[in-house]
Amino acid sequence: EDQVTQSPEALRLQEGESSSLNCSYTVSGLRGLFWYRQDPGKGPEFLFTLYSAGEEKEKERLKATLTKKESFLHITAPKPEDSATYLCAVLLGYSTLTFGKGTMLLVSP
Amino acid sequence: GAVVSQHPSRVICKSGTSVKIECRSLDFQATTMFWYRQFPKKSLMLMATSNEGSKATYEQGVEKDKFLINHASLTLSTLTVTSAHPEDSSFYICSAGPSGGGYEQYFGPGTRLTVT
Repeated sequence: EDQVTQSPEALRLQEGESSSLNCSYTVSGLRGLFWYRQDPGKGPEFLFTLYSAGEEKEKERLKATLTKKESFLHITAPKPEDSATYLCAVLLGYSTLTFGKGTMLLVSP
Repeated sequence: GAVVSQHPSRVICKSGTSVKIECRSLDFQATTMFWYRQFPKKSLMLMATSNEGSKATYEQGVEKDKFLINHASLTLSTLTVTSAHPEDSSFYICSAGPSGGGYEQYFGPGTRLTVT
């Protein structure tokens, strides 16, 4: 069965304390991996798409990487406004996304 | 670019009534739109895939007669929760990707449904 597992479930950081979130997947025929940010009571906000192992993408303090088994979302020198739930999803088939349960990040000032 | 809107953002209805939620792609056309449901502190669960001009494809376990989906144009899909009951209370979110674009899906802000 195809699975997407995110860890940790929750992460508390001090402002400026860099860390990484993990998304591991066991799927056959991965067509793409996506990272989203979701604030409470809102829809997910698109961050990155990764299509092949070795690919990296960056946006401000965030950097996403992909291997054949997992993806990492690196957060460098986070700020309180980076606090949110970060969701990972894999693309199966033509258009269906399967989501992990997310990592809830809290950055304290 | 790639903005998706939903209306209403919140709705409270009585048990047994029906509720319609609209999902619009504001600056792009979407042949396919998706409807998700999210429970508190849980991930998004795909309910159905909505295809413009044809019938929606429902995920296993989702009642198609209860969750009616219509995708009448390339910018509008609607989800109607029929004969709503308290267990239908949830956060409903739609998404869409630009036709002819990549595989990215852009999400609406969500609709909080409370059935009393």
